[in-house]
Amino acid sequence: DIVMTQSPLSLPVTPGEPASISCRSSQSLLNSDGHNFLDWYLQKPGQSPHLLIYLGSNRASGVPDRFSGSGSGTDFTLKISRVEAEDVGIYYCMQGLQTPRTFGQGTKVEIK
Amino acid sequence: QVQLVQSGAEVKKPGSSVKVSCKASGGTFSSYAINWVRQAPGQGLEWMGGIVPFFGTANYAPKFQGRVTITADESTTTAYMELSSLRSEDTAVYYCARDRGLRSFDYWGQGTLVTVSS
Repeated sequence: DIVMTQSPLSLPVTPGEPASISCRSSQSLLNSDGHNFLDWYLQKPGQSPHLLIYLGSNRASGVPDRFSGSGSGTDFTLKISRVEAEDVGIYYCMQGLQTPRTFGQGTKVEIK
Repeated sequence: QVQLVQSGAEVKKPGSSVKVSCKASGGTFSSYAINWVRQAPGQGLEWMGGIVPFFGTANYAPKFQGRVTITADESTTTAYMELSSLRSEDTAVYYCARDRGLRSFDYWGQGTLVTVSS
């Protein structure tokens, strides 16, 4: 199985400031067609997860442009350009290269 | 707008089975995979398996192989996840989620809490 490792696991943030989460995979998520099969999800308190970023860097429908995804191969980053109070929750990366699909441990983002 | 609506909470005895449903509406049901992901209390997300209704063959995580059965009924646009030989560690919220073909889960159900307790 592909192991997904996120850091940090806890991230206190100040509204208006940037934030960044790292996700590393135990093997490359770059497919032969040039796609990185790496997604980012946000699970707000008491809610189901929802998709933020797919294929490493593509924002899902309705996702604010303060969220961006980057990286390739085994190293990926989710950045929030200016954190807002509504961004609190747990962020997960997930690999879609192969089954079983595997998730990172989650990064809990909370307001300082 | 795609919606996935799951069945209600369940309380089960150890050793029994549970079957959770996920009814899809507002999209093309047969072509896209429905996946099942669970989340134990205070824990992260764990993929259990998935099925493309058109093909009818499910793919399971090795951890659950032999204990989980995922099926889909195209006539009612409903997917099911049945987990047998329940133990206390299976207490979790179970989510269904649609894979739109890019191997990402773009729509999620509201979750179903399954509690296993004697």
